[in-house]
Amino acid sequence: GQQVMQIPQYQHVQEGEDFTTYCNSSTTLSNIQWYKQRPGGHPVFLIQLVKSGEVKKQKRLTFQFGEAKKNSSLHITATQTTDVGTYFCAADYNDYKLSFGAGTTVTVRA
Amino acid sequence: GAVVSQHPSWVICKSGTSVKIECRSLDFQATTMFWYRQFPKQSLMLMATSNEGSKATYEQGVEKDKFLINHASLTLSTLTVTSAHPEDSSFYICSARVVGFSTEAFFGQGTRLTVV
Repeated sequence: GQQVMQIPQYQHVQEGEDFTTYCNSSTTLSNIQWYKQRPGGHPVFLIQLVKSGEVKKQKRLTFQFGEAKKNSSLHITATQTTDVGTYFCAADYNDYKLSFGAGTTVTVRA
Repeated sequence: GAVVSQHPSWVICKSGTSVKIECRSLDFQATTMFWYRQFPKQSLMLMATSNEGSKATYEQGVEKDKFLINHASLTLSTLTVTSAHPEDSSFYICSARVVGFSTEAFFGQGTRLTVV
């Protein structure tokens, strides 16, 4: 089946620093979504990107969708301890199923 | 947002027994629900798509006779792990997407299954 690649798998960040996680698909996406899963919890929807080149912001989180609609990124600035968790991108290939990336697990050192 | 309730949140069972996991949409009708499996520190792997009133669609490599899915109503889908073995121990999560409302997926709380 279609897959979306996500890197890095782990991100250990100093509190206050920035980091970025990337997702890439070999085929064009209908849309891409981002989810956050806290340790022991279930994935929670963060945002959906639909348009080519779209950029959306949620406070310290910036989400981008590539011009070709094949890649996306999540950039977090001034990381806080509340940002701990695993961030997944989820690719929608317009077949009603979501294909999840491997996830980026973020840990924060104070 | 819409609420999906999954029960039980954790279960321990003996090898050879069957376990049923329920997934309910509390405030919306879900014609389609999805069942995922997640191993520790890994991503969500789609097991099957559950369609109300029809047979589930299983992903490649998923044994449909082992993981029985029933979606008898617009608000309830169940996953039964039959003749469970220790290798079936995992975190199982259901989700639903609301047609015409939003394409985000709403997840249940997940079920931690341990087979001993």
